[in-house]
Amino acid sequence: GESVGLHLPTLSVQEGDNSIINCAYSNSASDYFIWYKQESGKGPQFIIDIRSNMDKRQGQRVTVLLNKTVKHLSLQIAATQPGDSAVYFCAENPLSGGYNKLIFGAGTRLAVHP
Amino acid sequence: GAVVSQHPSRVICKSGTSVKIECRSLDFQATTMFWYRQFPKKSLMLMATSNEGSKATYEQGVEKDKFLINHASLTLSTLTVTSAHPEDSSFYICSASVAWAAGRSNEQFFGPGTRLTVL
Repeated sequence: GESVGLHLPTLSVQEGDNSIINCAYSNSASDYFIWYKQESGKGPQFIIDIRSNMDKRQGQRVTVLLNKTVKHLSLQIAATQPGDSAVYFCAENPLSGGYNKLIFGAGTRLAVHP
Repeated sequence: GAVVSQHPSRVICKSGTSVKIECRSLDFQATTMFWYRQFPKKSLMLMATSNEGSKATYEQGVEKDKFLINHASLTLSTLTVTSAHPEDSSFYICSASVAWAAGRSNEQFFGPGTRLTVL
């Protein structure tokens, strides 16, 4: 069935380093992708999104890259800070269903060490 | 803007009782609301999608008689866990979205979640 998965379940980085979180998706028809940050006991927080007609989008300290050829999505966080410690989920919006349904990946925990 | 609230944030109940969780969009009208379930250290699993004034669409494997969803207005959706059992203990999260254009690729705004513990 359709699935969105992540390569690394846990990522540990030093404060100030750049972080890269990866995600593989299986539905080649998906046209919208989002990265969410979730802190413990809270709901997901929108970070950045990208549509399938783009391959790169930048925000403040974050960049999302989309490679449709290999169905791969990544989130790059520049100058990682302790406040970036959280679980990060990618999500895809498949074209089926008629609603803006999201399928979430398994998540990657980012641990930032001082 | 685009704030979604949930109530209660935490609930503990006895096995066999029913629990109602509210999801509200505070500063916008939500065309569609979604309910997710999340087990510890796991991802969000979509349970159902609801549109105001119509029946919810449940994902495969989700019992609609167990998880009753009501979407009475454009700002309120409720999830009722009926005859709750310990295996229903989980983190329930709702989200709301607005149909900007033809209901496609619209951002979802998430609530803070409700921690349900069934004893």
